[in-house]
Amino acid sequence: DVKVTQSSRYLVKRTGEKVFLECVQDMDHENMFWYRQDPGLGLRLIYFSYDVKMKEKGDIPEGYSVSREKKERFSLILESASTNQTSMYLCASSFFEKLFFGSGTQLSVL
Amino acid sequence: GIQVEQSPPDLILQEGANSTLRCNFSDSVNNLQWFHQNPWGQLINLFYIPSGTKQNGRLSATTVATERYSLLYISSSQTTDSGVYFCAFTSGTYKYIFGTGTRLKVLA
Repeated sequence: DVKVTQSSRYLVKRTGEKVFLECVQDMDHENMFWYRQDPGLGLRLIYFSYDVKMKEKGDIPEGYSVSREKKERFSLILESASTNQTSMYLCASSFFEKLFFGSGTQLSVL
Repeated sequence: GIQVEQSPPDLILQEGANSTLRCNFSDSVNNLQWFHQNPWGQLINLFYIPSGTKQNGRLSATTVATERYSLLYISSSQTTDSGVYFCAFTSGTYKYIFGTGTRLKVLA
């Protein structure tokens, strides 16, 4: 079975902190994604990576950056966390276009 | 852009009942998939079904691409089926478009 692992299930941070969300997949997938999910707004794509060191902005990249130094790991970085970044963050990877999600990180920024 | 509509938005069932969830889309799509998000937030890929019919236990799915819809059937529902069901697809790019979901509650 495909496994996409997100490092934290719950995270509480303070405004202005730099936050790292880590995602690891174990199936050598080329494509990895970061989404955020908010009530009433659905899933929104933040960033996408199609290879090591390759990335593309999604629909809402402002306030975020990403890093993909190794194929299996895709990190989402909040440079200076703000309260409006409180959300559920979901990482996904795809194999022949079939998407597999991690269990999500519920981030609260106080 | 492509419009996607899922129906019904909310559904309450008694355990053992059957149900059909629908995903309509306004143009040609690729890579249509169905997901179940459980009450803890985990999204599970149920079916990759760009066309045709697939079955997995009590669940089955059908996509009629030429008529721009997909259906998810749940038979003999169980309380563990509760959660939100999403359809998603791509349209010419890597970006997946997600429907707004059907929220299902199965009562014991």
